[in-house]
Amino acid sequence: GAGVSQSPSNKVTEKGKDVELRCDPISGHTALYWYRQSLGQGLEFLIYFQGNSAPDKSGLPSDRFSAERTGGSVSTLTIQRTQQEDSAVYLCASSLGGGMKETQYFGPGTRLLVL
Amino acid sequence: AQSVTQLGSHVSVSEGALVLLRCNYSSSVPPYLFWYVQYPNQGLQLLLKYTSAATLVKGINGFEAEFKKSETSFHLTKPSAHMSDAAEYFCAVTKGGTGGFKTIFGAGTRLFVKA
Repeated sequence: GAGVSQSPSNKVTEKGKDVELRCDPISGHTALYWYRQSLGQGLEFLIYFQGNSAPDKSGLPSDRFSAERTGGSVSTLTIQRTQQEDSAVYLCASSLGGGMKETQYFGPGTRLLVL
Repeated sequence: AQSVTQLGSHVSVSEGALVLLRCNYSSSVPPYLFWYVQYPNQGLQLLLKYTSAATLVKGINGFEAEFKKSETSFHLTKPSAHMSDAAEYFCAVTKGGTGGFKTIFGAGTRLFVKA
């Protein structure tokens, strides 16, 4: 596709369940980023990948959160034992290179609601 | 530490009036600065970015921003607001570290345009 895609677009889950969020970056983009946007708040940087490697995982909110990227393309953000405070919009972005000047291209997000 | 402060969570202007959205950053080194826009129910897209070339940066849709090192500011302006400019605007800075880098976003400013 032409842009970054994310699935599902919406996810409702029960507290304690695990969820997987998927991101398909723009073809050829080497860097991929995950953010969380909570209601009334800005974007919180979670993690970024250069290729399949994540140089810095310190932005992940807790050890319930994990992310992986395979084949330098698709990425999955997994939240285990979801809590109500995990409810947010999870945004994925990609960039052609992994430098600090790069423009990030954002997907439409996955809206997660934990009941 | 690098951070971004956007003054005013909401700004309201009349159609045709000047738009001014404020962003101040704190950084010990020359930063890379970005303005992104999020239209309702859409993902973020880049308006413009400063990467240490010209201090006056022109972006899409008639927006521009001026990097002022002495004021540590990167305010976004547009001479004449259109109804279609109603959206949320985010200022961001990239922060380097030993493990790579992070993108730090401000809390966002929602722009309302009155007819």
